[in-house]
Parts: sequence; C-alpha cells; structure tokens
Amino acid sequence: SQTIHQWPATLVQPVGSPLSLECTVEGTSNPNLYWYRQAAGRGLQLLFYSVGIGQISSEVPQNLSASRPQDRQFILSSKKLLLSDSGFYLCAWSEGDGSPLHFGNGTRLTVT
Amino acid sequence: KQEVTQIPAALSVPEGENLVLNCSFTDSAIYNLQWFRQDPGKGLTSLLLIQSSQREQTSGRLNASLDKSSGRSTLYIAASQPGDSATYLCAVRQLGYAGNNRKLIWGLGTSLAVNP
Repeated sequence: SQTIHQWPATLVQPVGSPLSLECTVEGTSNPNLYWYRQAAGRGLQLLFYSVGIGQISSEVPQNLSASRPQDRQFILSSKKLLLSDSGFYLCAWSEGDGSPLHFGNGTRLTVT
Repeated sequence: KQEVTQIPAALSVPEGENLVLNCSFTDSAIYNLQWFRQDPGKGLTSLLLIQSSQREQTSGRLNASLDKSSGRSTLYIAASQPGDSATYLCAVRQLGYAGNNRKLIWGLGTSLAVNP
C-alpha cells in the first residue's frame, strides 16, 4: 500500500532563516506531487506541483521554492522566511487527475 | 471562474442522526469531485471521488452524489457517530488539459460535531 511521510510536524523559525520541509511517498512510482498551504478561513492554496523528477510548476509567486530530486521525494524550501509564511503546509500525491489526492499529516510552521 | 461553496460552515447533530453535507459549484464543466475529511491539526483524508460521468459513490456509511447540471454534490452520512466529528471539504477538478490546467478548486469546508 502507498504511504506518504511529511516532516517535521511542527517548526518554529525566526524571520530571515531558511526553510526545508521534506515529503516522501512510498509504494508507488512517478506520482504527481503537490505542496499546499492552508490558512484559517482561506481554504487550501496550491503552491507547487510536479509531474516528474525536476519538473516543478509554481502557482503563486512568493519566496518559496520546491524541488523534486528523486521520483518520490518533494522538498519545499525558502532562503529567508517572512512572517507571512506562517501556516499549515501539506504535501500530497496522486496517480493522476482521475485518481484521489492523498495528503501527509502536515507541518505547522510558525515564523517569529 | 469556478467557485465552490459549502453551506453550512458548521453543523452540530446528535449521535445516530443521518445527515447531508452540501457542496455547490458554479461551473458544471468539471473533471471530477472529491470529498475529504480533516481532523484538527491533521492532513486531509480522501473519502470519495466521483468522476464527472458518475452520479454517486458509496463507501461504508458514506454516500456522495453528483448533479453536474445543478452544480451540486451532497455527502450523506448514515447513523452518525462522535468519531465522524471533523471538517469535511469538497474539491472540484476542472476540465482542461492534463496537468495543472485541471485545477482543483476547494470549498472552505463544513465543520461537523456529532454529540454523544
């Protein structure tokens, strides 16, 4: 069966510090991978998606970036965090547009 | 522009009640629709996915229906239990070319409390 791992679960970082959130999927190959951010009362916002190694599409201009160094690994990064980067970050995968979307447990990021 | 609305935003029911959660969308040209459950502080769990050609999907006590012409989907929960307490979200995937042209548009969810 397929599983998705996302870490860390919580993170407190000062403004201007770097960020690296990691997500890995097991039990499938060549999944579509996604990074979402969820803010209270604002719903889910798609940040990045990837349909293959090295193929990253950005949805929202921001100081975040994503990379997919391996087939089942997706990384969300920032060189310098802003206060507005605080939020709940979710990694997700699917086998394709016609398949269900499966989420990790999320990372609660607080930028102080 | 596709908009997805879930009303009510919050719902409280006694245990054992059958209930219906609503999801409305403005553009009937959809690829599929998904229902998710989210427990506080956790990620989303996929409940049911309905393809645009389907009218309903069932899983255990859950039944989701889709009426594209009216722009509506309902999630029916039979014999509700306290463990069903969570936020339920629906998401519509739009028609388009493969990849992110088939965008997922999200509702804000209905927060359900089932009281023992």
